[in-house]
Amino acid sequence: ETTLTQSPAFMSATPGDKVNISCKASQDIDDDMNWYQQKPGEAAIFIIQEATTLVPGIPPRFSGSGYGTDFTLTINNIESEDAAYYFCLQHDNFPLTFGQGTKLEIK
Amino acid sequence: QVQLVQSGAEVKKPGASVKVSCKASGYTFTSYGISWVRQAPGQGLEWMGWISAYNGNTNYAQKLQGRVTMTTDTSTSTAYMELRSLRSDDTAVYYCARDGSGSYYPSYWGQGTLVTVSS
Repeated sequence: ETTLTQSPAFMSATPGDKVNISCKASQDIDDDMNWYQQKPGEAAIFIIQEATTLVPGIPPRFSGSGYGTDFTLTINNIESEDAAYYFCLQHDNFPLTFGQGTKLEIK
Repeated sequence: QVQLVQSGAEVKKPGASVKVSCKASGYTFTSYGISWVRQAPGQGLEWMGWISAYNGNTNYAQKLQGRVTMTTDTSTSTAYMELRSLRSDDTAVYYCARDGSGSYYPSYWGQGTLVTVSS
């Protein structure tokens, strides 16, 4: 089973900031990494697939990078609507596993 | 647009069973699989398993084998997840999620169903 270590667990940002969220895999998973956004009481939204590909309809201020074991979700020019819980998912092998999540607060 | 609407919150006693439904709309139900994922309070997300809506094939997480059953009803475009012999640590929000095109990972998610196990 692949363990995903996501950090930080919590972060605070100001509109216009750039933030990075990290997800490290316990073994090589190629680019089989996805990122999701979830707001309280709402369904999660798929934002990045295959580590670097922006899901259609997602604003281009979101981007993903990484390969193998180290992955990063970057949000440029943060907006207040980006306040949410973000989590990573590896789909290289079963069972699918998730990072512990990051709660992003916008000041 | 793709929508997954889940059944309402449940409160169950230890040892009981719960069956959560997930009604799909906005796409051809049998063309995609459905994953079930749960999140216990203060914990990360846990993949529970996957079912093909095309042929009913399943792939369950090893730790839940024997306690979980995933099914679909193609006539109503609804997926179901039944968990038996409930324990307090099964208290969680349960999510269904539809595959993406040509993939086995979640792309569209339901809103979640809170299941509370308490005596």
